[in-house]
Amino acid sequence: EADIYQTPRYLVIGTGKKITLECSQTMGHDKMYWYQQDPGMELHLIHYSYGVNSTEKGDLSSESTVSRIRTEHFPLTLESARPSHTSQYLCASRQRVAGVLETQYFGPGTRLLVL
Amino acid sequence: AQSVTQLGSHVSVSEGALVLLRCNYSSSVPPYLFWYVQYPNQGLQLLLKYTSAATLVKGINGFEAEFKKSETSFHLTKPSAHMSDAAEYFCAALTGGGNKLTFGTGTQLKVEL
Repeated sequence: EADIYQTPRYLVIGTGKKITLECSQTMGHDKMYWYQQDPGMELHLIHYSYGVNSTEKGDLSSESTVSRIRTEHFPLTLESARPSHTSQYLCASRQRVAGVLETQYFGPGTRLLVL
Repeated sequence: AQSVTQLGSHVSVSEGALVLLRCNYSSSVPPYLFWYVQYPNQGLQLLLKYTSAATLVKGINGFEAEFKKSETSFHLTKPSAHMSDAAEYFCAALTGGGNKLTFGTGTQLKVEL
């Protein structure tokens, strides 16, 4: 079973509020990812990191930001939430091992509703 | 760029019937391929993965998938559907030099009595 956690699981918040979605993993994985998923839709990569102090924007443009100060922690922040940010956010992690295809593990997700 | 296509956003089968979920990839070089399952209000769980070691891959919960290079396909099957199989299934391919997963749009599987 994957040891990757996300909090909160559900969040309802008003427009303009600053929010941080937490993601942590206890597997020591180098690579971490944030995906955005609308109901019944595919996953879109919005941020990823290959290690501490490494962050990159994903394929889908997002107004959110991320940081990677510790290996196990990869929080996502929205400075000013808007209704268009309403979605499910999934965090994932994977170990980078040369020549070996490691499984990517997903957290349970955070369902965000911005009113 | 690599893309993954899942034919049929919704598939409905009877309990005990064969499950077939379709996935095609677009790449001249066969990528690493994955099937994930997502139950309501949960994250994604890996069902199986293709790593070129064998074209027929067996996964958890009785699922398997066959890699066919000639058809650029990686369809997911299960001989006999169970009610607990009702979920959303995603096919994915490893891209970006092996750093990123590209997902299909997902197939919602419904199992009826």
